[in-house]
Amino acid sequence: QIQLVQSGPELKKPGESVKISCKASGYTFTNYGMYWVKQAPGQGLQYMGWINTETGKPTYADDFKGRFVFFLETSASTAYLQINNLKNEDMATYFCARFPYWGQGVMVTVSS
Amino acid sequence: DIVLTQSPVLAVSLGQRATISCRASQSVSISSINLMHWYQQKPGQQPKLLIYRASNLASGIPARFSGSGSGTDFTLTIDPVQADDIAAYYCQQSRESPPTFGSGTKLEIK
Repeated sequence: QIQLVQSGPELKKPGESVKISCKASGYTFTNYGMYWVKQAPGQGLQYMGWINTETGKPTYADDFKGRFVFFLETSASTAYLQINNLKNEDMATYFCARFPYWGQGVMVTVSS
Repeated sequence: DIVLTQSPVLAVSLGQRATISCRASQSVSISSINLMHWYQQKPGQQPKLLIYRASNLASGIPARFSGSGSGTDFTLTIDPVQADDIAAYYCQQSRESPPTFGSGTKLEIK
């Protein structure tokens, strides 16, 4: 069955970086794009962008241009989200999704 | 981007019908294909697909969930509402990139 398994929760300080993984199984990884979605505490779902798993080309939503990086390790069927120079407003749960399948989410806490 | 509008909260009694609406800023239909989907999200969990293409029940979803609509107006119906249905419900369109979500409707028990 199709599964997306994400890495564990993260506790970081402002200014640090975080790397979140999303390992896919149960389908051919390069046949479907991988999407990233942010959910701030108590808030709704915000589309961050997606990465073409065949070419590796990322596309970022406007709010996520600059500090956010999508990349792949295709041989491991894994997608990554890296957030650089963390800010308080980055504190959220981050989901990967191959719609309609979703990872379980990674909670990122940013605290000094 | 296509904006999807949902009411923030809906309160219903157990055993009654819940009707959750989603209005799109432009049509999300292509010919007879309505590219609107509904997800349920419980606290601490990832969203779960309930309805795809407006009216198709996803695998394993109880028949008390149903969806309807076309163009810009869509509805998710839960009938009868059970205690386990307390959650947030999101519509999502795949008509245009980027895929966008409604702001979510929290279903509460009256």
